[in-house]
Amino acid sequence: GQQLNQSPQSMFIQEGEDVSMNCTSSSIFNTWLWYKQDPGEGPVLLIALYKAGELTSNGRLTAQFGITRKDSFLNISASIPSDVGIYFCAGQPPGGSQGNLIFGKGTKLSVKP
Amino acid sequence: NAGVTQTPKFQVLKTGQSMTLQCAQDMNHNSMYWYRQDPGMGLRLIYYSASEGTTDKGEVPNGYNVSRLNKREFSLRLESAAPSQTSVYFCASSEAGRGREQYFGPGTRLTVT
Repeated sequence: GQQLNQSPQSMFIQEGEDVSMNCTSSSIFNTWLWYKQDPGEGPVLLIALYKAGELTSNGRLTAQFGITRKDSFLNISASIPSDVGIYFCAGQPPGGSQGNLIFGKGTKLSVKP
Repeated sequence: NAGVTQTPKFQVLKTGQSMTLQCAQDMNHNSMYWYRQDPGMGLRLIYYSASEGTTDKGEVPNGYNVSRLNKREFSLRLESAAPSQTSVYFCASSEAGRGREQYFGPGTRLTVT
């Protein structure tokens, strides 16, 4: 089946640093979504993207729908401690049945020791 | 608005026992979903309901049944729990359309011994 490759799997951040992560696939998607999950909580929707090339911001977060429709990127500027958590990408393939979102395995953000 | 609520938050079952996980949403969404989340596996779709009165299998439906009780409520039943069903279960909902912008509940942490 279709898979999303999310990278990096984990990364450490220092307050004030910019952070980048991405999601890639061998198949095209119609929609890309980015979620954040805090420990013990459900995923929270951060940004939704619906068109190839679309660039959307939500505060310090910016996400882009790749031109090829096979990838998406999430950037966090000037990171703060509350940015730690797991970030998931999710894509909706074309022609998929209702409910057919494919999730990446997540990028875990931690604070540099 | 409470969004998506799930009960219980934690549950421990013995192998062979049955239980029902409850989910309700107050956003007037047509579509509802059940996922399981396991370490390193991301979110996997168990069942979904595109609208009241319909349900369909997702990626990992074996060992589960669902009921869309009304537009607000979607329950997940384990008839005979197995240790492989130890997981965190999330319910989600979305507006009519094709599964985009799903909003998640806080999760139920289930352990089967």
